[in-house]
Amino acid sequence: AQTVTQSQPEMSVQEAETVTLSCTYDTSESDYYLFWYKQPPSRQMILVIRQEAYKQQNATENRFSVNFQKAAKSFSLKISDSQLGDAAMYFCAYRSPETSGSRLTFGEGTQLTVNP
Amino acid sequence: NAGVTQTPKFQVLKTGQSMTLQCAQDMNHEYMSWYRQDPGMGLRLIHYSVGAGITDQGEVPNGYNVSRSTTEDFPLRLLSAAPSQTSVYFCASSYPTGAGTAFFGQGTRLTVV
Repeated sequence: AQTVTQSQPEMSVQEAETVTLSCTYDTSESDYYLFWYKQPPSRQMILVIRQEAYKQQNATENRFSVNFQKAAKSFSLKISDSQLGDAAMYFCAYRSPETSGSRLTFGEGTQLTVNP
Repeated sequence: NAGVTQTPKFQVLKTGQSMTLQCAQDMNHEYMSWYRQDPGMGLRLIHYSVGAGITDQGEVPNGYNVSRSTTEDFPLRLLSAAPSQTSVYFCASSYPTGAGTAFFGQGTRLTVV
């Protein structure tokens, strides 16, 4: 079974600065998908970014980018030019290619605070 | 676009009571799942379904029951509520395997007293 670990329960960043959230995972599969989800106080789960393991290029979405290190089984999220609206709980998630998109293994979450 | 709709948003139950959390999606997704979210534990899979009439257990199925009679609906039943089932519950849906992304409902906060 796959496991996902987020070792930072809480992080904080100053507005306009950069912060990196860490995620490691354990799997014996060679192909898989990795995700970062954002959960603001509204509880809505919002997909931030997705990475396919077979792609060596790191995914980017505007101010969000990942550092995907397949050999190290590491998948960190970098938020550049942090904004107050980035404050939320962030979850790292793993999905096997054989399972559906709605069947995910989540990490424990990192609560991000953005200070003005 | 409704997406994935969960009802109710909040619920308080007494120990031993039963109830059903509703989940409906209008995207014709075959795959649906239920998760519970607890502090420090992320989201954990309770049950999932790969299509109407087909369900299977996830990581934490005990105390919960599901059925899937239609593509649109995937209700989660608590048979005899316990305080340990106090949690936030999420329903999600997606297309089949491949690059399909999960769509989540707004969540149900359940408190069992």
